[in-house]
Amino acid sequence: AQTVTQSQPEMSVQEAETVTLSCTYDTSESDYYLFWYKQPPSRQMILVIRQEAYKQQNATENRFSVNFQKAAKSFSLKISDSQLGDAAMYFCAYRSEYNQGGKLIFGQGTELSVKP
Amino acid sequence: DSGVTQTPKHLITATGQRVTLRCSPRSGDLSVYWYQQSLDQGLQFLIQYYNGEERAKGNILERFSAQQFPDLHSELNLSSLELGDSALYFCASSLPGPGKFFGPGTRLTVL
Repeated sequence: AQTVTQSQPEMSVQEAETVTLSCTYDTSESDYYLFWYKQPPSRQMILVIRQEAYKQQNATENRFSVNFQKAAKSFSLKISDSQLGDAAMYFCAYRSEYNQGGKLIFGQGTELSVKP
Repeated sequence: DSGVTQTPKHLITATGQRVTLRCSPRSGDLSVYWYQQSLDQGLQFLIQYYNGEERAKGNILERFSAQQFPDLHSELNLSSLELGDSALYFCASSLPGPGKFFGPGTRLTVL
């Protein structure tokens, strides 16, 4: 079974600085998707960025980028020019390409605080 | 706004009771996923429906059941509620392909 691990329960960053959130996963599959979701205090789950495993190029969405290392099964999220609105819980998630109906498997989350 | 709606936003009930949570997926989305978020278990997949049929099952208790109706809205029924069922219940939908759009969630409190 696939697992997702986020080893940093809490992280802190100064406003305008850069922070990297770590995520590792375990799978025997070769085709899958990886995601980062943001959950602010409103509790809404917001898709931040996604990565297809077959793509070597790292995904980027404005200030958010990932470092996808398939062989190491690592998928970190880099937030550049951090803003107060980035403060939230961040979840890494895995989705199989073929099996299990497309469900998401989530890590435990990393709570990010942004200091002004 | 994800386009996924969930009602009610909050629900407070007593142990032993039964509740129904409702979800309407984004227009055109055929799949509905239910997730439970609790402090001790984190975010867990419960069940998926696709175009009215059950597609996948996760860690869903036997006291819980779900269905998807012809208009594609879905209901999650929770019965014989226990204190440990207190959680945030999310519904998500997606078109074929990756990515999920989550609803705002229903916060269930069992007293």
